[in-house]
Amino acid sequence: GAGVSQTPSNKVTEKGKYVELRCDPISGHTALYWYRQSLGQGPEFLIYFQGTGAADDSGLPNDRFFAVRPEGSVSTLKIQRTERGDSAVYLCASSTQGTSVYYEQYFGPGTRLTVT
Amino acid sequence: GDSVTQMEGPVTLSEEAFLTINCTYTATGYPSLFWYVQYPGEGLQLLLKATKADDKGSNKGFEATYRKETTSFHLEKGSVQVSDSAVYFCALRHTNAGKSTFGDGTTLTVKP
Repeated sequence: GAGVSQTPSNKVTEKGKYVELRCDPISGHTALYWYRQSLGQGPEFLIYFQGTGAADDSGLPNDRFFAVRPEGSVSTLKIQRTERGDSAVYLCASSTQGTSVYYEQYFGPGTRLTVT
Repeated sequence: GDSVTQMEGPVTLSEEAFLTINCTYTATGYPSLFWYVQYPGEGLQLLLKATKADDKGSNKGFEATYRKETTSFHLEKGSVQVSDSAVYFCALRHTNAGKSTFGDGTTLTVKP
């Protein structure tokens, strides 16, 4: 079946612009996660949704970052007033249920964001 | 807070060599431990996991044992293949938490 998909695969934007990154989870998965992976580092947690609500947004670095999941399926990560330090690969993952370690997190291919 | 430390790479081995990638962690309580693999051009995939102390996770010839006393989860494989060339990430996650904490990854290159 279809895996987690993310669009766009690549995004180049100018400093100060607004960007939206989209994640389509595996059908039926109620939990959705966003991570950010900078070059040479491991993924860093941003936010986790259970259904439509953000169950844990402790990883969002500041108020320029915001994420929504209005219908409990597709999610959009929104970044305002982008900075060069926001350049990274943004990963999305989904799982059948949110907090049980017995349910695997399936990762998408990521969106590579470059802020010039 | 939680942290995961992996041995620095890159690691280069000849085919059929023995592989060890070290991973240690710092965390409160007893998290579950994971190894993920990222093949060139692909997304992260779960390789194996262990959910409690002394558990051994295994998959595709890879193994790792959850050692509470040394807070370690080292990845091993007896005979690597060229197709094992990838980046390997160690991670932890607490029960009833969505967030995973990852190490910085170790790049493995296997030469024929």
